[in-house]
Amino acid sequence: SAVISQKPSRDICQRGTSLTIQCQVDSQVTMMFWYRQQPGQSLTLIATANQGSEATYESGFVIDKFPISRPNLTFSTLTVSNMSPEDSSIYLCSVDEGSTDTQYFGPGTRLTVL
Amino acid sequence: GESVGLHLPTLSVQEGDNSIINCAYSNSASDYFIWYKQESGKGPQFIIDIRSNMDKRQGQRVTVLLNKTVKHLSLQIAATQPGDSAVYFCAESNNFNKFYFGSGTKLNVKP
Repeated sequence: SAVISQKPSRDICQRGTSLTIQCQVDSQVTMMFWYRQQPGQSLTLIATANQGSEATYESGFVIDKFPISRPNLTFSTLTVSNMSPEDSSIYLCSVDEGSTDTQYFGPGTRLTVL
Repeated sequence: GESVGLHLPTLSVQEGDNSIINCAYSNSASDYFIWYKQESGKGPQFIIDIRSNMDKRQGQRVTVLLNKTVKHLSLQIAATQPGDSAVYFCAESNNFNKFYFGSGTKLNVKP
């Protein structure tokens, strides 16, 4: 399966600031996704990161709050903008392994907003 | 998105016993399901998957059962070990791309 890394692994940020999270895959993948996992909760899909076009957002998530880039088939970024304590979560990227359609996850970025 | 839920939020089992984790899903159009294991501080780890044209699939010490009639999914872990302690999530998809996750079950394995 693809090896997925994320940067940073964790961060503590101040209210009102923004943080960009990077996701790097060791092979080219068609589909990349971003999820949020609030403390003690399950995973919620934020958006699909599309290479060469705008990301596709799920209900309740908007581009102004969570801008996403996908410049190529191995890399994506998620920005959490104008952060508030409610944004404190683990943010995870995942990739779709095209041959099997199985989805694999990165290690996550643990964000705390003060 | 689809609603995927679990019957038991926490499950405690004795080491060596078999574990059964259950999951109910709401979208009858879902055709692909994955079970993930998430250890503390880590991302979800793929365990086993099953497509809707199957009722059962076996892996190493794990079996997934799918009952489409009642929209129910289960994960069976044989001879549960302390290393199996984690939170387990089921996830469903109806287009092989977007997955929706259940609320998770925490498995505690007592030595």
